[in-house]
This record gives sequence, structure tokens and C-alpha cells, in this order.
Amino acid sequence: SQQGEEDPQALSIQEGENATMNCSYKTSINNLQWYRQNSGRGLVHLILIRSNEREKHSGRLRVTLDTSKKSSSLLITASRAADTASYFCATGGNSGGSNYKLTFGKGTLLTVNP
Amino acid sequence: KAGVTQTPRYLIKTRGQQVTLSCSPISGHRSVSWYQQTPGQGLQFLFEYFSETQRNKGNFPGRFSGRQFSNSRSEMNVSTLELGDSALYLCASSLYPGGRAYNEQFFGPGTRLTVL
Repeated sequence: SQQGEEDPQALSIQEGENATMNCSYKTSINNLQWYRQNSGRGLVHLILIRSNEREKHSGRLRVTLDTSKKSSSLLITASRAADTASYFCATGGNSGGSNYKLTFGKGTLLTVNP
Repeated sequence: KAGVTQTPRYLIKTRGQQVTLSCSPISGHRSVSWYQQTPGQGLQFLFEYFSETQRNKGNFPGRFSGRQFSNSRSEMNVSTLELGDSALYLCASSLYPGGRAYNEQFFGPGTRLTVL
């Protein structure tokens, strides 16, 4: 079953606006990673946040993590048409050892209109 | 550094055939994981290899298998192909085996498999 659930499923905004996507998960994690995928291509790694971190920044990206609510958010500021893509959160379980795997949500389809 | 490479990028097979996909991780990375992506099921974990050993396996039938070589390159094999095996197969590499909190996984461009 899918661990991460992104919200909303689709988001359409104008260039220059900010985009916020949310991710909720069910079990304990040791990290959470956000990825971008353009139209059926490979996944591009955006950012990793560890379970003991609350916020991370990378360029126009800001990720927050609230382990008490089992949720994360990805904020893209000053969006561009090139940001149009599907965004996935992936949770890494804390079972460690040989049971570790990334579990992905269904993704948020972001459309940035010029 | 070169990224994760996957070959071939596109593949068309017929039911009953078998297929082998290849993945070369980022130089220095010793962990390789495989994922299947379909419109209906999304991204699902297939298996992970580290130092030529399979560490974890997802919930897929035994027709799906893989291996890793001493140079960390990995192959996955699907035997007796079914229509439902049509998917984008993604390979990810990481420096460490899965489970470490700071372990980023980087994905290749994928192999698009179509089963007719």
C-alpha cells in the first residue's frame, strides 16, 4: 500500500505564484525525499529531509516536516513554466536493515501557466 | 559525475518473452534499487541490491528477478512477460544501503517496456 499521500492531486497556478504541495504518511520514518518527474521520464531528486529536521531549503524550494502530524510540505516559490511536472514524496522507513525501501505517493501534478 | 544510466530506454516485447534491463549506478555508489511505475499502481519497489546481495524484495512474483555485479552495475530480468508488465522501470542508486537517514537515492531516466 502507498505510504505517502500527496495533496492536492493536481494544482494549476500562474507563473510567479507560489506552489505548495503536501504529503502525509502513516508509519515512522527516518527520512523523506521529494522528487520531480517530467512527463514519464526519470525522477529528479529535489531534497531529502531527515526525521530530526524540521525545515530545509534549496534554492526556490522549501520543505517542512512535522513528524508529530506525519506530514511534510514542499513549497516552490516564484514558480516558472519549467516547474510544470509531477511531484512525489517518498518516505524511507526506519526499520533500517534489510527491510528498508522508499515508498512513494501518487504524486501532485503541478501546472504552471505562463 | 555521470548520473544513473539505464539501457535500453525503450523496449517492445510480446507476451511470453523475457527481458533484461540494465542499470549503471553513479560512480562510487554501491546500492541499486529497482522500481516499477504504472498509471494504476504508481511507483512500486521491486528490490534493492548492495554489494552484490539482495537486501530487500517487494511484493512481485518470482518472474521478476535481479542481480548485481562486482562493479555495482545491476540487471533485472522479467520472464514470461504479461501485458500488465508494461511499465516504466526505474533504477535508483545510492552511496549507502537503504536505511540510513541521510541516504539520498538518485534515479535514472528509466526503461519504458511495452508488452504486446
